[in-house]
Amino acid sequence: DSGVTQTPKHLITATGQRVTLRCSPRSGDLSVYWYQQSLDQGLQFLIQYYNGEERAKGNILERFSAQQFPDLHSELNLSSLELGDSALYFCASSERTGGGETQYFGPGTRLLVL
Amino acid sequence: AQKVTQAQTEISVVEKEDVTLDCVYETRDTTYYLFWYKQPPSGELVFLIRRNSFDEQNEISGRYSWNFQKSTSSFNFTITASQVVDSAVYFCAGGDSWGKLQFGAGTQVVVTP
Repeated sequence: DSGVTQTPKHLITATGQRVTLRCSPRSGDLSVYWYQQSLDQGLQFLIQYYNGEERAKGNILERFSAQQFPDLHSELNLSSLELGDSALYFCASSERTGGGETQYFGPGTRLLVL
Repeated sequence: AQKVTQAQTEISVVEKEDVTLDCVYETRDTTYYLFWYKQPPSGELVFLIRRNSFDEQNEISGRYSWNFQKSTSSFNFTITASQVVDSAVYFCAGGDSWGKLQFGAGTQVVVTP
């Protein structure tokens, strides 16, 4: 158990809908990262927050947004969902920000868009 | 831009054999960080090891060992005396100075009794 929690574990929804994925980092970690794992794209970095502020952005679609709250938990919002958004979404956390930090991953949220 | 190449798609071994996973990380950065993660069938990503680009000393931790050669951009990972519980997908990842991880495509390791 990495100490990173993600809810829900599974999510089934329809095209065009909006969902919110939630992540609680390990105790004491200030950085949160979101990744998407799909069969065709593999594991891709989406976005990073550090102590409430956006730090780095990857291949995140405009339909997706995220935020980190004062209690350091983070939410990833996915809207106007398409079939291709079906994937495993991981949240990771690290103590600080920067390349030398080890990221610990949560169990993931498996999203299925029908 | 960084590129992580894991040329091996799948490796099958019999229990107690050694398994070596290859990874090549290409980047223009002079300082970078390399990681190995394991994804068992249950789906979670488990951190295994981390290496800094400025430290080429090879290390061993239990049944795991790794070999980093900056000149060839290779960061290989070996499991000694494999066990059935080692069956998983293993990902190599490179981290830039911001902390963004670039993952390879993964290598499926199948260990049979």
